[in-house]
Amino acid sequence: DAEITQSPRHKITETGRQVTLACHQTWNHNNMFWYRQDLGHGLRLIHYSYGVHDTNKGEVSDGYSVSRSNTEDLPLTLESAASSQTSVYFCASSDLVNEQFFGPGTRLTVL
Amino acid sequence: KNQVEQSPQSLIILEGKNCTLQCNYTVSPFSNLRWYKQDTGRGPVSLTIMTFSENTKSNGRYTATLDADTKQSSLHITASQLSDSASYICVVQAGTALIFGKGTTLSVSS
Repeated sequence: DAEITQSPRHKITETGRQVTLACHQTWNHNNMFWYRQDLGHGLRLIHYSYGVHDTNKGEVSDGYSVSRSNTEDLPLTLESAASSQTSVYFCASSDLVNEQFFGPGTRLTVL
Repeated sequence: KNQVEQSPQSLIILEGKNCTLQCNYTVSPFSNLRWYKQDTGRGPVSLTIMTFSENTKSNGRYTATLDADTKQSSLHITASQLSDSASYICVVQAGTALIFGKGTTLSVSS
């Protein structure tokens, strides 16, 4: 069955370190998205991609970057982790109909 | 400003009872409205997607309604089960952007 996976599921890092969160989907979807979810907020869009080599900034993109070298993967990189980036991160993918399928999430703690 | 407001913020009901969750939105241009269920520690899972012309959509014991004139939607859960305990998120698509509500946390107790 097609699926979307994220790794690691849990990560603890220190302020200033570079961190990369992986997202892999086997739906063969062109569209992929990264969100963060914090208490008191709805899911907020960080970055998104509509296809290979396409990347776009979302509403909370500062401090994050993505690259899309193939259809299946959209890794999210925190260039220099900050405590404000402690959050749960969700990756999602969608087809042309735009129903999004979400991964299981990565809980990131920045100390 | 595009906004999606959900109420109540949290809700506790007894197993077997029905409940209704509300979603009000001010979003333009409206493309569709979705309801997601998010279990603790997991990603959201789609329950329903409704376009402008649809006013009711069901998925098992879940029934969503949409009133495009008043910009309101509701999610009705019939004969609740313990497994319905989760956060329910209303999402409105505005063009290519998704506007997320903060969710309603439902607890079903025995």
